Amino acid sequence: GAVVSQHPSRVICKSGTSVKIECRSLDFQATTMFWYRQFPKKSLMLMATSNEGSKATYEQGVEKDKFLINHASLTLSTLTVTSAHPEDSSFYICSAREGGPDTQYFGPGTRLTVL
Amino acid sequence: QKEVEQNSGPLSVPEGAIASLNCTYSDRGSQSFFWYRQYSGKSPELIMSIYSNGDKEDGRFTAQLNKASQYVSLLIRDSQPSDSATYLCAVNMSWRGNKLVFGAGTILRVKS
Repeated sequence: GAVVSQHPSRVICKSGTSVKIECRSLDFQATTMFWYRQFPKKSLMLMATSNEGSKATYEQGVEKDKFLINHASLTLSTLTVTSAHPEDSSFYICSAREGGPDTQYFGPGTRLTVL
Repeated sequence: QKEVEQNSGPLSVPEGAIASLNCTYSDRGSQSFFWYRQYSGKSPELIMSIYSNGDKEDGRFTAQLNKASQYVSLLIRDSQPSDSATYLCAVNMSWRGNKLVFGAGTILRVKS
């Protein structure tokens, strides 16, 4: 089946630092990757859509200068949380979609804690 | 009206019973529907996808779709304690550029 990995699984950082999260599709080429965040006991909120070779499309209310997304290849997308603050602490989950089917496969998630 | 609505639960069922999870959606033009299972602290795992009206069965799971009523459901037969999780309904909204919109999820508790 389609496998998506994320790294790191957990990160703790100081306020003001930047954190990079990687999302990889391991056994398929993902033309599109998505980044979500999830607060405790809440549903997933789409942050941005990442297409290989083009700029990411951000959802309304998501600061593109704070959440930098790079989709460098058909198997790798990265999310960088710049100048992180405690309110950025959340569960960040990526998903990947093959070109044909619209099914999204999720990575295991990254739990970010900003002190 | 929320785009995808689910009863938050918790829905409690005894082991071996049928669990019925329901979801309604607002976009009449939606064509793709998904059920994901999410354990606490983990990311969502795809259980079922359904695209046509009617039933689709996969093992103990049956997804049901009624586009006229804008309703999709998931039945879990012979519920097991390991089925206890949050079940997320997701709809591919065409007017949103084919992005998935998730419901808030229904918490299912299967008691042994």
